[in-house]
Amino acid sequence: QQQVKQSPQSLIVQKGGISIINCAYENTAFDYFPWYQQFPGKGPALLIAIRPDVSEKKEGRFTISFNKSAKQFSLHIMDSQPGDSATYFCAASRPNAGNMLTFGGGTRLMVKP
Amino acid sequence: DTEVTQTPKHLVMGMTNKKSLKCEQHMGHRAMYWYKQKAKKPPELMFVYSYEKLSINESVPSRFSPECPNSSLLNLHLHALQPEDSALYLCASSQAFTGGRNEQFFGPGTRLTVL
Repeated sequence: QQQVKQSPQSLIVQKGGISIINCAYENTAFDYFPWYQQFPGKGPALLIAIRPDVSEKKEGRFTISFNKSAKQFSLHIMDSQPGDSATYFCAASRPNAGNMLTFGGGTRLMVKP
Repeated sequence: DTEVTQTPKHLVMGMTNKKSLKCEQHMGHRAMYWYKQKAKKPPELMFVYSYEKLSINESVPSRFSPECPNSSLLNLHLHALQPEDSALYLCASSQAFTGGRNEQFFGPGTRLTVL
């Protein structure tokens, strides 16, 4: 019940296209869903996060869509750029487990020029 | 300032060495974390400190010894490591460990190689 499943494992998108990464979870107690972006040799950087009382959150070219009934959430990167090429991790945490994050397996995104 | 700093950036050590990793944050955060990350895998939680007290130890071998000297500093002391301990070690911090805002901010990591 602690798992967060992320797909796809890898993704290739043309410059200007839309990148979509999906995550699914089992534990309905999760109440916070962040996305992290990680470049090779660097630490993960918090990109955007959502709570289950909101169905969508947008920050610049990055949008999280959240479907509570389906227990799924996704990251959309609009107008994808080569500089977006990185590994993306979704995560989830629940209120009575402090800030312990359960991570998805990661998606390696490559944006081709 | 949402910066978490870590030193050193790279560390190579033998199996009989003793070394330490250092993490620092000046955001006033009261929770600090150590993670281990292997290639192409997500970070794995090792330890959590809340208000300078160890709150979580995810069954980490005793060759890893954390220390939180004050609210801004977190150390990870290493002794008698194995080659399989080679990984990227990440420090993170958040405003608190329970309730409220949950954002965790990660440092750049220390790339550890055990020979």
